[in-house]
Amino acid sequence: DGGITQSPKYLFRKEGQNVTLSCEQNLNHDAMYWYRQDPGQGLRLIYYSQIVNDFQKGDIAEGYSVSREKKESFPLTVTSAQKNPTAFYLCASSITLAANNEQFFGPGTRLTVL
Amino acid sequence: RKEVEQDPGPFNVPEGATVAFNCTYSNSASQSFFWYRQDCRKEPKLLMSVYSSGNEDGRFTAQLNRASQYISLLIRDSKLSDSATYLCVVNMKGDSWGKLQFGAGTQVVVTP
Repeated sequence: DGGITQSPKYLFRKEGQNVTLSCEQNLNHDAMYWYRQDPGQGLRLIYYSQIVNDFQKGDIAEGYSVSREKKESFPLTVTSAQKNPTAFYLCASSITLAANNEQFFGPGTRLTVL
Repeated sequence: RKEVEQDPGPFNVPEGATVAFNCTYSNSASQSFFWYRQDCRKEPKLLMSVYSSGNEDGRFTAQLNRASQYISLLIRDSKLSDSATYLCVVNMKGDSWGKLQFGAGTQVVVTP
């Protein structure tokens, strides 16, 4: 089955630690995205990637980093510089970086900072 | 003012009834509009795109009103399985690519 996988589903981190969230897709999509969702708020874009070895900051990139070394993979690192990292993190992909393309989402990772 | 605004609800709807709700957007040059559905603690999934002429998909009807800058979603003959949060999603001006703005969602609860 084609789709997007994210791991782990739940993640607990101590303050001051970096943590990496995995995102893999087998849909052969060029574009990939990372969002965070907080209660009562819409999804906010952290980073996006149009193609392998290319990525751009979204609206709230501070304290996060990404890489896109393979088409299928777009891992997100939440660094200790992120002030409020506790959130629901969603990875998405689309065929290309075009406005009318559907974005497919992974099941998400819930990160809690203890 | 938020770029995409929705009534958070919840809209409590008896099974079989009709429910409708709107979403307003701030940028008059927005080009693409969508409704996504998100179940509790799950990922969003595309429900339908919204076209200028309005469109229907089974029991769901979406409308776009450019003059007043809102889109609407109507659900007829509500089913228990329609209980979810409905996210309004808009592509903003100047973004010819897939950068989307998400509303915070409208919660719908269908009761027996």
